[in-house]
Amino acid sequence: QSVLTQPPSASGTPGQRVTISCSGSNSNIGSNTVNWYQQLPGTAPKLLIYNSNQRPSGVPDRFSGSKSGTSASLAISGLQSDDEADYYCAAWDDSLNGYVFGTGTKVTVL
Amino acid sequence: EVQLVESGGGLVQPGGSLRLSCAASGFSFSNSAMTWVRQAPGKGLEWVSAISGGGSNTYYAGSVKGRFTVSRDNSKNTLFLQMNSLRAEDTAVYYCAKHSSYYGSGNYVRFDSWGQGTLVTVSS
Repeated sequence: QSVLTQPPSASGTPGQRVTISCSGSNSNIGSNTVNWYQQLPGTAPKLLIYNSNQRPSGVPDRFSGSKSGTSASLAISGLQSDDEADYYCAAWDDSLNGYVFGTGTKVTVL
Repeated sequence: EVQLVESGGGLVQPGGSLRLSCAASGFSFSNSAMTWVRQAPGKGLEWVSAISGGGSNTYYAGSVKGRFTVSRDNSKNTLFLQMNSLRAEDTAVYYCAKHSSYYGSGNYVRFDSWGQGTLVTVSS
């Protein structure tokens, strides 16, 4: 029942750039900032991008975020093997008065 | 260093109840809203509930509204989730997470620290 839609998978070879899309609506991405979380296998999620394009301290600048209208995207440049993880977009939804996560994208490094 | 440690998970029968706890340390607990997020086995993340720093404002996902209650004890730096009328579809790892602000809702909600999670299994 996720209201934010992401592609189920994305892949690339080491060093390549991978982009993940996140599609929402006026009540969530269209009105509020977007956050991205990274979940490495068997671990808790970690905040990767906040306010659509800001990186918390310690997150490499290989990760970048952007937002336009009711969509957002996460780009990973210089792909590395330890970037293999699930990635989730998220935003507050004014209509639901709650926080919503995307469907999640599994990134594989070939 | 921020630490969040969940406890209270386990096996419960459908229709039963369970209370989860999250012990927090390393930050000003009463100044931070807190949230519960769950993840069913092999599935994605689902936000469950949030509570403001002072505890006066609470928010729930539609799937748990009326069955779950979030609360906090700022004197003990502990967050709770009381889960009643549990269903099989509530089976998940439950994570507590710290908000970056006092407020539990709105545009700038984000979760900057997470616990390791506690597994809740609802089955007969």
